This record gives sequence, C-alpha cells and structure tokens, in this order.
Amino acid sequence: DAGVIQSPRHEVTEMGQEVTLRCKPISGHDYLFWYRQTMMRGLELLIYFNNNVPIDDSGMPEDRFSAKMPNASFSTLKIQPSEPRDSAVYFCASSLKGGNVEAFFGQGTRLTVV
Amino acid sequence: DAKTTQPPSMDCAEGRAANLPCNHSTISGNEYVYWYRQIHSQGPQYIIHGLKNNETNEMASLIITEDRKSSTLILPHATLRDTAVYYCIVRGYNTDKLIFGTGTRLQVFP
Repeated sequence: DAGVIQSPRHEVTEMGQEVTLRCKPISGHDYLFWYRQTMMRGLELLIYFNNNVPIDDSGMPEDRFSAKMPNASFSTLKIQPSEPRDSAVYFCASSLKGGNVEAFFGQGTRLTVV
Repeated sequence: DAKTTQPPSMDCAEGRAANLPCNHSTISGNEYVYWYRQIHSQGPQYIIHGLKNNETNEMASLIITEDRKSSTLILPHATLRDTAVYYCIVRGYNTDKLIFGTGTRLQVFP
C-alpha cells in the first residue's frame, strides 16, 4: 500500500476563496482523522470518521470548515471562505480501529492563504 | 485521557543512546502510553506503545515505571536521522482520538 495519500501537497490561495483538501486513507482502515498543525497551536485534531461517519467534529474551528467522507477511500476537508489564519499544514491519518493501534499519517498539505 | 509532560528539547551525540522522558502521573489503568515522532516537514510516525510492561521493537525501547506514572523512550544508537520532535501520548484502550501535546525536540549532533 502507498500509505495515506494527500493532495495537493502545497496550496496557495487568496483570502475568500474556497479550498478543498483531499485524503485517500490506507485501504481497509476504519478510521480517518484530520489534523491541523501550526507553530502557535501545534497538532490539533479537527475531526475524525469511523466507517465514513463523522464521530467527533469538536475540533473544527468554525462553520467555515467542513469535512466529508463519501466512501471508504476518500475524504475532503473544505474551507469556505478561507482566511489568512487558516494557513497551516493539514494532515490526514488513518487507522484500522480507534484503540490500541497505530495511526498512519499522510505527508500533509501546506496551505497558505494570502 | 491523562495529560503528559515532556521536556521541550534535548540533545544527543550520534551513536549514543537517546533517553526521552515523559511524565504521566494521572494515567489510569486502561490507558496506554504511545510514542510518535515527527521529522521536519513530514507527518507524525508511530514508534511504539505499551501498557505496563517494557516494550521493544526495531525502532526503540519503551520503559514504563512500575507505578506507570512515567516512561522513557530509548533510541539505543541515535543517528542524525533521529532528529525530530517526539510525542508521548496517553490514550485509553477504547479511545479513538490521538491527542498530541508539545513534544520533545531531539537534536542529534555529530
């Protein structure tokens, strides 16, 4: 397996534009997690899914952020409208199940909102 | 999940053992200790985890004190490629979420 695949690797967009980040988890994994990393706040869990169903979105910063998982092999994180403070590295991770197993992370998407 | 405390930074000479401490004094009986690391510009990488027994794999050893209030991650022969931020995480067996703290920035020098 190629691991967790995220696209794009880098995204530069103007304030107010819609941004969509994509993630393909490892085949067969039941859980998918979206994280955001900044210098100020470190690694923050935004939302996670179990079997394509959102379980906990308490980390989503505000209504401008939304995430979907239409099937077991694909998830998106959308920011609309984007703001400069959304600039960060966004990581997607997947695991076989939630407890007592390792999570595998993608390489991340570096988002810059100007 | 219990909170963890780690030193913000450590240095280690190449070829020597790197011993990274973690305090988790409020850990409960069904919570595991996990270690991840993040090499610059990459996603976090799983290293090892344990409940109460010491664990060893090809990457590292995990030593958990008998009272389970602290643990140490040991990289037996550190290399320059081990320079990274190391995260100690306490996670319940039935907990889905993996919550990262601030970690320890390990610098391995020649």
